[in-house]
Amino acid sequence: AQSVTQLGSHVSVSEGALVLLRCNYSSSVPPYLFWYVQYPNQGLQLLLKYTSAATLVKGINGFEAEFKKSETSFHLTKPSAHMSDAAEYFCAVRDLDSSYKLIFGSGTRLLVRP
Amino acid sequence: DGGITQSPKYLFRKEGQNVTLSCEQNLNHDAMYWYRQDPGQGLRLIYYSQIVNDFQKGDIAEGYSVSREKKESFPLTVTSAQKNPTAFYLCASSPGTENTEAFFGQGTRLTVV
Repeated sequence: AQSVTQLGSHVSVSEGALVLLRCNYSSSVPPYLFWYVQYPNQGLQLLLKYTSAATLVKGINGFEAEFKKSETSFHLTKPSAHMSDAAEYFCAVRDLDSSYKLIFGSGTRLLVRP
Repeated sequence: DGGITQSPKYLFRKEGQNVTLSCEQNLNHDAMYWYRQDPGQGLRLIYYSQIVNDFQKGDIAEGYSVSREKKESFPLTVTSAQKNPTAFYLCASSPGTENTEAFFGQGTRLTVV
């Protein structure tokens, strides 16, 4: 079965600094990968998704992620952090062995310092 | 507007009582899901349904039940058998194919006292 691991439960950056949130996947076949963002007491909103069309995926709010098969990674980046980016971020993979359900990582909380 | 509606947003119940969380979607999606969210544990799948009148257990189904009598509705009942029901519950739906994302409701925060 597929799985994802998010390294770092908390990441803190200064406003204007690079944001890097890490996600590694485990899959025996080409995966379908997703990044979601969650603001407090709200549902999840899709940031971007990888579906094998291109290895560099651009999403909303200036975020992008690069699929690296050799590293089994799908890290999320943003060149310059804004205060409004403070939230929790989840990486997810489709479980192709089991009815296409989404499997989520444990999440990374991003703190942006002024 | 198309979307997923969860109600209520906050719910308080006494220990030992069953409670039902509502989830409705008007996106015409085949698949629907219930996740539980606890701090530091990400989202864990409770139940999912790929089609009307059919559903499967997820990773933490014990103490929960669901029904899927209509395409647009997937209610979750938290029974008294659930040992630690206080959590944030999220409902989601998707077209059901491998390359599509899931769309989420705003969640229901259940507190059992």
